[in-house]
Amino acid sequence: TQLLEQSPQFLSIQEGENLTVYCNSSSVFSSLQWYRQEPGEGPVLLVTVVTGGEVKKLKRLTFQFGDARKDSSLHITAAQPGDTGLYLCAGGPGATNKLIFGTGTLLAVQP
Amino acid sequence: DAGVIQSPRHEVTEMGQEVTLRCKPISGHNSLFWYRQTMMRGLELLIYFNNNVPIDDSGMPEDRFSAKMPNASFSTLKIQPSEPRDSAVYFCASSQKGSGRGRNTIYFGEGSWLTVV
Repeated sequence: TQLLEQSPQFLSIQEGENLTVYCNSSSVFSSLQWYRQEPGEGPVLLVTVVTGGEVKKLKRLTFQFGDARKDSSLHITAAQPGDTGLYLCAGGPGATNKLIFGTGTLLAVQP
Repeated sequence: DAGVIQSPRHEVTEMGQEVTLRCKPISGHNSLFWYRQTMMRGLELLIYFNNNVPIDDSGMPEDRFSAKMPNASFSTLKIQPSEPRDSAVYFCASSQKGSGRGRNTIYFGEGSWLTVV
């Protein structure tokens, strides 16, 4: 069974701080995605990375895919209250189009 | 454009009752997924369909759960009989399956919040 472990599970920070969320697995994924979920809603895709070592930036968010395509990180610079939510990584095993979701990181940014 | 539409949004039912959750995927999408989310287990894939055909139902917890997709625009997830441990948020999602890596962007509905008492 392919598992994606995220750390930390919970994170409460002050507005303006930086943070990094990690997503780790012992399995290789053909692609990895990051989603953000807000209360009462479904997850919404933020980014997809497909190449080992790939780095993508989305405003204050920086996503990196590990060289071996087994892990990923999400770095947020100068966090804002609007960044509050559940962050989920999800891996695509490759042969199929199903996604395995990580355990999630619940982020709270205090004003 | 309409997203993935789920109904009901909220349901409270008594143990032993049948529950039917409904989903209309995004038009043109050929893959449909049913996920369940709980605090303890996170977001779990229950079953997914490609072109209306069930491909992988290994996540369906037990025989009380069944899913159908009679056509490209409609799917149901049924629980019969329901139990309190089935209480969760059930998400339907759809995508356009493509070739190569990174083509499986999944769009989620807003979820059906099920409480079995």
